[in-house]
Amino acid sequence: DIVMTQSPDSLAVSLGERATINCKSSQNILYSSNNRNFLAWYQQKPGQPPKLLISWASTRESGVPDRFSGGGSGTDFTLTISSLQAEDVAVYYCQQYYSPPLSFGQGTKLQIK
Amino acid sequence: EMQLVESGGGLVQPGGSLRLSCAGPRFTFSSYWMHWVRQVPGEGLVWVSRVLSDGSSTGYADSVKGRFTITRDNAKDTMYLQMNSLRAEDTAVYYCTRGVAAMEDWGQGTLVTVSS
Repeated sequence: DIVMTQSPDSLAVSLGERATINCKSSQNILYSSNNRNFLAWYQQKPGQPPKLLISWASTRESGVPDRFSGGGSGTDFTLTISSLQAEDVAVYYCQQYYSPPLSFGQGTKLQIK
Repeated sequence: EMQLVESGGGLVQPGGSLRLSCAGPRFTFSSYWMHWVRQVPGEGLVWVSRVLSDGSSTGYADSVKGRFTITRDNAKDTMYLQMNSLRAEDTAVYYCTRGVAAMEDWGQGTLVTVSS
């Protein structure tokens, strides 16, 4: 089974500053035949279901602000928020969909400093 | 945004059964893989099960294998999760989600509480 590990568990960043969340998979999740990383990032605000932000490690979903970006390949990935806004306070999860059982990271709680 | 609506949650005793439903009438339901993901309040997300678009193949987390059964009725635009031999550790909010790759749309969730 693929284990996803996020760091840090929690993060406090000042408004307008950059926030970076890391995600590491225990196995390579880059599919060589199409050169795609089977990794997604989700945002979950209190009392709400998760929302898909980024798929294929770096493809932003429609309507997601461009301050959100995803990067990395293979086993190491990042979610970056270039300029933190108040509405970005949430828990962020990475998830691999390379092979079942699908798995999520433990989550990173992002707060305002 | 594709609306998914879960139902069927509630309080059940250990060893009991419950069937969750997920309705998705506002899109071409039969075209999509569907999943169940659960979350203990205050904790992280855990994938539970998935069913392919035509129902021909299913998959389960080890923690529910042999106890839970996922099915779908494309004629009714509905997916189900039959949960048997429920345990206290199955207590969680259960979300249905849609997506062949990443999970593109999520319902609001339904709370399942297993307690005597």
